[in-house]
Amino acid sequence: DAKTTQPPSMDCAEGRAANLPCNHSTISGNEYVYWYRQIHSQGPQYIIHGLKNNETNEMASLIITEDRKSSTLILPHATLRDTAVYYCIVRVAGTNAGKSTFGDGTTLTVKP
Amino acid sequence: GAVVSQHPSRVICKSGTSVKIECRSLDFQATTMFWYRQFPKQSLMLMATSNEGSKATYEQGVEKDKFLINHASLTLSTLTVTSAHPEDSSFYICSARGDPGLAGGGLYFGPGTRLTVL
Repeated sequence: DAKTTQPPSMDCAEGRAANLPCNHSTISGNEYVYWYRQIHSQGPQYIIHGLKNNETNEMASLIITEDRKSSTLILPHATLRDTAVYYCIVRVAGTNAGKSTFGDGTTLTVKP
Repeated sequence: GAVVSQHPSRVICKSGTSVKIECRSLDFQATTMFWYRQFPKQSLMLMATSNEGSKATYEQGVEKDKFLINHASLTLSTLTVTSAHPEDSSFYICSARGDPGLAGGGLYFGPGTRLTVL
């Protein structure tokens, strides 16, 4: 699995958009970008994933650059409950999905 | 959606005893499960890959005789920490590989088990 690089921490004001970047310059053609978050003392929670097109779901939007070497997770209206560690991971999808290698992630703190 | 459970959620044991942690896929079959360990303020570290009906594959530096993994069915994998010591105190998390068509992209995480060894 390709390595990812994320800023260690970010702050965001409640109600504003949180934009979390991730670099994955060595991503392979068949690897997807996945985002998870982990709230203290809980298991990782899936947020969103994508291959090359931008994706949106009820939780967030994922913007992947055209060269696929970086991506941005967008939480459109951050709330205090979005305070967590956010992990960006790249891996093959489907039934042949391999193990996920977690980097250090970004600690997002949403402030009132 | 796909749900993975872990039992127990918390366990406290004395040094030298063995502790078993269960990981179950509740509504799907998982031929492959993964076990992670997480120390305070650190990221998840993959320990091993558990394959149904075969031996687990351990990551470098993980003692297979200390962390016994059994994946006896398509819905259950167990991790046994043998002769636990205080340095084994950690947060243990499992994940299960399932149908990528379900929300979650094919890999589903359990809620974790907090192990404290006194």
